[in-house]
Amino acid sequence: DGGITQSPKYLFRKEGQNVTLSCEQNLNHDAMYWYRQDPGQGLRLIYYSQIVNDFQKGDIAEGYSVSREKKESFPLTVTSAQKNPTAFYLCASSHQGVLNEQFFGPGTRLTVL
Amino acid sequence: GQQVMQIPQYQHVQEGEDFTTYCNSSTTLSNIQWYKQRPGGHPVFLIQLVKSGEVKKQKRLTFQFGEAKKNSSLHITATQTTDVGTYFCARSGRDSANFGNEKLTFGTGTRLTIIP
Repeated sequence: DGGITQSPKYLFRKEGQNVTLSCEQNLNHDAMYWYRQDPGQGLRLIYYSQIVNDFQKGDIAEGYSVSREKKESFPLTVTSAQKNPTAFYLCASSHQGVLNEQFFGPGTRLTVL
Repeated sequence: GQQVMQIPQYQHVQEGEDFTTYCNSSTTLSNIQWYKQRPGGHPVFLIQLVKSGEVKKQKRLTFQFGEAKKNSSLHITATQTTDVGTYFCARSGRDSANFGNEKLTFGTGTRLTIIP
């Protein structure tokens, strides 16, 4: 069953703690992306990776970090430096090149208390 | 940045009425993609338009790309309750801050609600 998975679906953390969100895909896609979505708003790009061991900052990278050690995995760490971390986080993947559609995971809703 | 403006932000229609959302850019678009996100769900790709003046149809959905490639629209004929959700357009573009890597920039979306 091919697809892209994110875990957990809901996550609660205390303020000041780092938290890592998981994203795994078995679609053999080279490119992976992390987006943040706030209520009633569009998707804003946090980080993206076109190939293993390489990644680029998106539009709102401050307070976040990523790694891309394996093609299938692109975890996102929300650090304590992120001022407003509570949001819905979406991971996506695609074949390389933005002419290709992006496949999204189910998302992780992070709440920082 | 390479923004896309999407209007309206919200649209409430009676079931059976038509619905249209518009995506506008101040610069020429190389292509435009459309996604649908159901309430509580994740975005799902609908279609991509590449050619000037292109029109594509998917059952009750009609997608258009402007002649000048600066705008696009999604029209739904005779809406049904299954059409509820937020519709996003997304443009591709070179990321000048990252050696020209290509990325998608999403519009703010149009949230469609249906009154049964």
